[in-house]
Amino acid sequence: QKEVEQDPGPLSVPEGAIVSLNCTYSNSAFQYFMWYRQYSRKGPELLMYTYSSGNKEDGRFTAQVDKSSKYISLFIRDSQPSDSATYLCAMMIYNTDKLIFGTGTRLQVFP
Amino acid sequence: EAGVVQSPRYKIIEKKQPVAFWCNPISGHNTLYWYRQNLGQGPELLIRYENEEAVDDSQLPKDRFSAERLKGVDSTLKIQPAELGDSAVYLCASSSRGLDHEQYFGPGTRLTVT
Repeated sequence: QKEVEQDPGPLSVPEGAIVSLNCTYSNSAFQYFMWYRQYSRKGPELLMYTYSSGNKEDGRFTAQVDKSSKYISLFIRDSQPSDSATYLCAMMIYNTDKLIFGTGTRLQVFP
Repeated sequence: EAGVVQSPRYKIIEKKQPVAFWCNPISGHNTLYWYRQNLGQGPELLIRYENEEAVDDSQLPKDRFSAERLKGVDSTLKIQPAELGDSAVYLCASSSRGLDHEQYFGPGTRLTVT
């Protein structure tokens, strides 16, 4: 069993839809939780990070962490075609500086 | 501010040949990472440097992979000899301090071994 599980998709939604992306993990030592966006032929770029359980909002994006269920989510409101990319969740144990990535979910937003 | 620079962007080689990738991190970033990303997978850490020192190379296949970061700035990752299974995207990332959770990635080098 992988430490981080993520549905690879692809996920195809119409413009304006609310998108929900999710990851589960098995290692309770993970304390930092990130979401990266990766466009085709590009490197990943950090979208959001959270440390504690709860929600964090940034514009159209909301990151949610539920440590009791070992489950994290990224919500995208009013999705745009420019959001079409692969979304990678990543996690880190405190004091290790080592990121463990999920497989990524490919999202396509069509006009 | 310039981002992480990697070259070449693409490389096609035959198996058993050597290959090298180069990375120039963001200016002032003392931590440098090399990741490998297989098709349809997330990046996996190969090696992490703090300045010139490799502080985590536990995932680096040392029989054929080597890396160096002379003077604590640029870094080179080498594979010799390459195998078919080495085909992947090799990503370099950097961060400003050892435990900074924000890692900045370069565009990667896409390696195809035939």
